[in-house]
Amino acid sequence: DGGITQSPKYLFRKEGQNVTLSCEQNLNHDAMYWYRQDPGQGLRLIYYSQIVNDFQKGDIAEGYSVSREKKESFPLTVTSAQKNPTAFYLCASSTPRDGFNQPQHFGDGTRLSIL
Amino acid sequence: GQNIDQPTEMTATEGAIVQINCTYQTSGFNGLFWYQQHAGEAPTFLSYNVLDGLEEKGRFSSFLSRSKGYSYLLLKELQMKDSASYLCAVSDSNYQLIWGAGTKLIIKP
Repeated sequence: DGGITQSPKYLFRKEGQNVTLSCEQNLNHDAMYWYRQDPGQGLRLIYYSQIVNDFQKGDIAEGYSVSREKKESFPLTVTSAQKNPTAFYLCASSTPRDGFNQPQHFGDGTRLSIL
Repeated sequence: GQNIDQPTEMTATEGAIVQINCTYQTSGFNGLFWYQQHAGEAPTFLSYNVLDGLEEKGRFSSFLSRSKGYSYLLLKELQMKDSASYLCAVSDSNYQLIWGAGTKLIIKP
């Protein structure tokens, strides 16, 4: 079955440490997204990529970095510059067809906490 | 600024009908999505409206009025498994999704 796989499910970060969240999709989707979800708030866009080797900052990109070397993969690195990283991180993908408004498909998320 | 408003929490009874409202103010409009999210899980797509009117899909229906900046999700014949958060998201002029904070729906027997 096609889908989006995020790993790990739970992740703990020590102060001053960078951590990388994995996102892999086998849906053959061109566009991929990273969101952050905090209690009582809507999903906030961190980064997105519409094509391999290209990505754009979202609303809250500071303290995060991404790469898109393969169509299937869009890893997110939470750097030590992100002072409040505790959140639920969601990866999504979609494919432009008849315009750009296709529903996004989500992975199961990674819950990141500070040690 | 861009804003999506939904009620924080609603309670309904098993077998009943519930309507979850969403109002929006965005820079441009290219459609509105509803997603369901169970606690600790990924959001799953429910419906998409871009034209005014009602879209029906089984027990779930979604309505849109672009002139009023308003949508609702109607859930009929509620089941316990419908207990979840329901997220409203608007596609703006750049086709970026602006998300509401979600409505937590509690179903009581």
